[in-house]
Amino acid sequence: IAGITQAPTSQILAAGRRMTLRCTQDMRHNAMYWYRQDLGLGLRLIHYSNTAGTTGKGEVPDGYSVSRANTDDFPLTLASAVPSQTSVYFCASSPGRPYTDTQYFGPGTRLTVL
Amino acid sequence: ILNVEQSPQSLHVQEGDSTNFTCSFPSSNFYALHWYRWETAKSPEALFVMTLNGDEKKKGRISATLNTKEGYSYLYIKGSQPEDSATYLCASTNAGGTSYGKLTFGQGTILTVHP
Repeated sequence: IAGITQAPTSQILAAGRRMTLRCTQDMRHNAMYWYRQDLGLGLRLIHYSNTAGTTGKGEVPDGYSVSRANTDDFPLTLASAVPSQTSVYFCASSPGRPYTDTQYFGPGTRLTVL
Repeated sequence: ILNVEQSPQSLHVQEGDSTNFTCSFPSSNFYALHWYRWETAKSPEALFVMTLNGDEKKKGRISATLNTKEGYSYLYIKGSQPEDSATYLCASTNAGGTSYGKLTFGQGTILTVHP
């Protein structure tokens, strides 16, 4: 059982370029999430999806977009990357009860925008 | 935006010491408090989810308590071992506002256990 996979593992990107971070889960979880992790700021929610076909904005959504065409995949797109988007990005999923479910995290994608 | 605060920011202890850290969270519209353990170069791993005032959870040498009326949770590690070295994150879920039903994380406590 793979759980949650993320790709790429790391990426260096020129500012202004478009980039999609991929996230796939095989646990048939309803809810999926994208977080960014920055030193001193902990994990901050970017976007979430409670179920396939729906998405919502988290704490820091600007500059990012997501889609949820099916249960398994939840890609995160940076339309025009900026250096402040340099971060480690974690995808997570949970069965779907929004308050009490444990979230399961992927291995992360380290993104550097120059 | 909810505020979840953890203290201390970092902690260095000797092998065999017992230690504890604090997580404070908004008590209004509270639903659940989560603790995660995050080792370097790995992804966060769930330890506990607690929902009721007075809840106590235990997993091996690690235990946690919850006070929802005053908005704090303690994580205890008994007889710390070097393999306990990690960042310990807490997160709360509260109803209402822009944080509806989502985990709001604290900044973490970095624990280093020296042999």
